[in-house]
Amino acid sequence: ETGVTQSPTHLIKTRGQQVTLRCSSQSGHNTVSWYQQALGQGPQFIFQYYREEENGRGNFPPRFSGLQFPNYSSELNVNALELDDSALYLCASAWGPLTDTQYFGPGTRLTVL
Amino acid sequence: QQQVKQSPQSLIVQKGGISIINCAYENTAFDYFPWYQQFPGKGPALLIAIRPDVSEKKEGRFTISFNKSAKQFSLHIMDSQPGDSATYFCAAPQGGATNKLIFGTGTLLAVQP
Repeated sequence: ETGVTQSPTHLIKTRGQQVTLRCSSQSGHNTVSWYQQALGQGPQFIFQYYREEENGRGNFPPRFSGLQFPNYSSELNVNALELDDSALYLCASAWGPLTDTQYFGPGTRLTVL
Repeated sequence: QQQVKQSPQSLIVQKGGISIINCAYENTAFDYFPWYQQFPGKGPALLIAIRPDVSEKKEGRFTISFNKSAKQFSLHIMDSQPGDSATYFCAAPQGGATNKLIFGTGTLLAVQP
């Protein structure tokens, strides 16, 4: 196990709703990245947080937003859910923004109906 | 826009055989090429990675071969075992950051006993 935990494990929402996903990083890690993995696809980078500030963003609309807390845990918020948002959401933590190795959590499976 | 193209989509290998997965990239500025392994219900885990200053890197039964002129790199799994059955992803750094990754679409490997 990587020491990265995510909650909840599974979530079902309806279109237009809002959702918050949570991630606890591995002890000592100050950098958290979020990825979206659609079924049968590779993960896509959403954004990264380093010491509570956004440190890079992928090609995702502003309705995807995040937070990082002083203990380096993180949240991913998605507003106005669309059917295509159904995916596995992964967070990954690292010692720093320039560290090669990042450790992924098991993910949250989001289904939008 | 896919910047990392992975093949094959799926692969069946007999126990003890060699599994080979290929990846092609477009951006010559990429300087870090990892392979990740993902089991069902788990997040991806870093398996092995290479930088373009070497043409090959070996760790146990896993080898990365890198061809800078062809902009290709491949993963070789020697003496493949049923426990190697998983999905494998190649990746490359987005925006020059090695922990903000662009992933390939994945290769589902099944090793038959």
